[in-house]
Amino acid sequence: QKEVEQDPGPLSVPEGAIVSLNCTYSNSAFQYFMWYRQYSRKGPELLMYTYSSGNKEDGRFTAQVDKSSKYISLFIRDSQPSDSATYLCAMKEDNFNKFYFGSGTKLNVKP
Amino acid sequence: GAGVSQTPSNKVTEKGKYVELRCDPISGHTALYWYRQSLGQGPEFLIYFQGTGAADDSGLPNDRFFAVRPEGSVSTLKIQRTERGDSAVYLCASSPWDRVNTGELFFGEGSRLTVL
Repeated sequence: QKEVEQDPGPLSVPEGAIVSLNCTYSNSAFQYFMWYRQYSRKGPELLMYTYSSGNKEDGRFTAQVDKSSKYISLFIRDSQPSDSATYLCAMKEDNFNKFYFGSGTKLNVKP
Repeated sequence: GAGVSQTPSNKVTEKGKYVELRCDPISGHTALYWYRQSLGQGPEFLIYFQGTGAADDSGLPNDRFFAVRPEGSVSTLKIQRTERGDSAVYLCASSPWDRVNTGELFFGEGSRLTVL
């Protein structure tokens, strides 16, 4: 079993839709949770991070962490064609600096 | 440049050859990571440096892989006796030491390695 599981998609939505992206994990020691966006042939770039459980909002993006269910989500409101990319979740333990990534979900927002 | 620079951007080699991939991190970033990303997969951890020393090399798949960072800045990933299964994009990321916990890794565009 992988440490982090993520549905690869692809996910195709019309412009303006609300998008929900999710990851599950098995290691209860994970405390830091991140979402990265990766455009084709580029390196990942950090979108948001959350420490422990709870919600965090940044513009059109909301990250949620439910540690009791070992489940994290990223919501994108009013999705735009420029949001079309692969979204990677990542997580790490408190005292270790090794990041575990999901396999990524490919999102396509159609104009 | 302001970002993480990786060279070469593309490398095609033959099975059994030796390869070096270079990473030039953002100036002042003490943390440096190497990840490997296969097609359709997420980045897979290889090694993490804090300064000059490898703080965690648990992701290196076998002894054909080795990485150095002799002066705490530029890092080189070295792969001996390459195999076709080594074909992937090798990503380098750097971070200020106090930003690692918040996941603020700055990735380069990667070195795409193809082993024929």
